[in-house]
Amino acid sequence: KQEVTQIPAALSVPEGENLVLNCSFTDSAIYNLQWFRQDPGKGLTSLLLIQSSQREQTSGRLNASLDKSSGRSTLYIAASQPGDSATYLCAPTSGGYNKLIFGAGTRLAVHP
Amino acid sequence: EPEVTQTPSHQVTQMGQEVILRCVPISNHLYFYWYRQILGQKVEFLVSFYNNEISEKSEIFDDQFSVERPDGSNFTLKIRSTKLEDSAMYFCASSEQGRLRSSTDTQYFGPGTRLTVL
Repeated sequence: KQEVTQIPAALSVPEGENLVLNCSFTDSAIYNLQWFRQDPGKGLTSLLLIQSSQREQTSGRLNASLDKSSGRSTLYIAASQPGDSATYLCAPTSGGYNKLIFGAGTRLAVHP
Repeated sequence: EPEVTQTPSHQVTQMGQEVILRCVPISNHLYFYWYRQILGQKVEFLVSFYNNEISEKSEIFDDQFSVERPDGSNFTLKIRSTKLEDSAMYFCASSEQGRLRSSTDTQYFGPGTRLTVL
């Protein structure tokens, strides 16, 4: 059964810092892994999908890496801004029908 | 940009009542999902749906739950007799590829329906 852990649980940083959010998963038999952003009381916004055959995927100031064999993914956020404040969720797929298994998230606060 | 929509945004119901949560997936998508998030907890998978039948369901998705695609655009989740513990945010998601084991299949989520059972 896939278990997903995200570290740290919360992070508070000044604007401009480069950030690293970590995700680990127990079952390496995944097809892809998605990173999402969730604002308080809102839905999930897909940020990046990284395929199981990829090592990295980039979108703007975001870069996700994947080490499938060791069950780890990392989300890098460059030059953080107050608008980046949200909870970031990691979700690898599990099983044949691509259901997503979510971690508890990293709650990020970027202050001016 | 196409998006998944959900109605209502908030539903309040009495314990034991039936509720239907509605979703309109992105139009060319073939796979549909329901997830839920109890306040302060992780997002949990409930069910996936493809070609008018359930592909996979979790232990949470018991006989009180059902899903349906009543027409070409809507996808619904019905809870037959709601319990207090059904109170949660329910998210609908859809993906394009409709293929097993697709490594490029991005799931797009709707804004959610907050269900409160009193």
